[in-house]
Amino acid sequence: GENVEQHPSTLSVQEGDSAVIKCTYSDSASNYFPWYKQELGKRPQLIIDIRSNVGEKKDQRIAVTLNKTAKHFSLHITETQPEDSAVYFCAASKGPGANSKLTFGKGITLSVRP
Amino acid sequence: DTGVSQDPRHKITKRGQNVTFRCDPISEHNRLYWYRQTLGQGPEFLTYFQNEAQLEKSRLLSDRFSAERPKGSFSTLEIQRTEQGDSAMYLCASSTGRNNEQFFGPGTRLTVL
Repeated sequence: GENVEQHPSTLSVQEGDSAVIKCTYSDSASNYFPWYKQELGKRPQLIIDIRSNVGEKKDQRIAVTLNKTAKHFSLHITETQPEDSAVYFCAASKGPGANSKLTFGKGITLSVRP
Repeated sequence: DTGVSQDPRHKITKRGQNVTFRCDPISEHNRLYWYRQTLGQGPEFLTYFQNEAQLEKSRLLSDRFSAERPKGSFSTLEIQRTEQGDSAMYLCASSTGRNNEQFFGPGTRLTVL
């Protein structure tokens, strides 16, 4: 089955700096890659996603890039703010068809120092 | 609130008891997923429904776990004869099925004593 790994497990940046979080996946049939943000005690919140026919997607201060050949994708956050501090999970799936379940990485804790 | 809702938010039970959780998806979403999350880990897939049909079950889902979605709207997840290892956050998510964007509920935190 699919295996998703995240690196590093923790990341600390100064407010205003950029943060990059990387994920690798194992199943070349995976075609959908979302990123979720989870604050302490709250639900995972979908913040951005990318499909395998696209190499990059941006939404304001966040962007995601995908390298299908290397089977890795990355979340980029620019101009970080203290409210960006949270756990970020990447995931992969072969959806939206029958194999739509998400396989998650273990998460990375991002700390933004004011 | 038109998002995914779950009930109860917290459940404390004694080992050996049965528990049942409920999930109400976003109204127009025909797909509903159950995941389990333990401390320091990402959510792990348990099972999912398209309308009332249960299409996939994880090998994590032992015979003590059963899920239903009888009318294709809300879903229930029952755990029989709970064990301490069942202690976790049980998350529900829903999607339209067209694009696989899955939106999560707040979860039910289960503690088995």
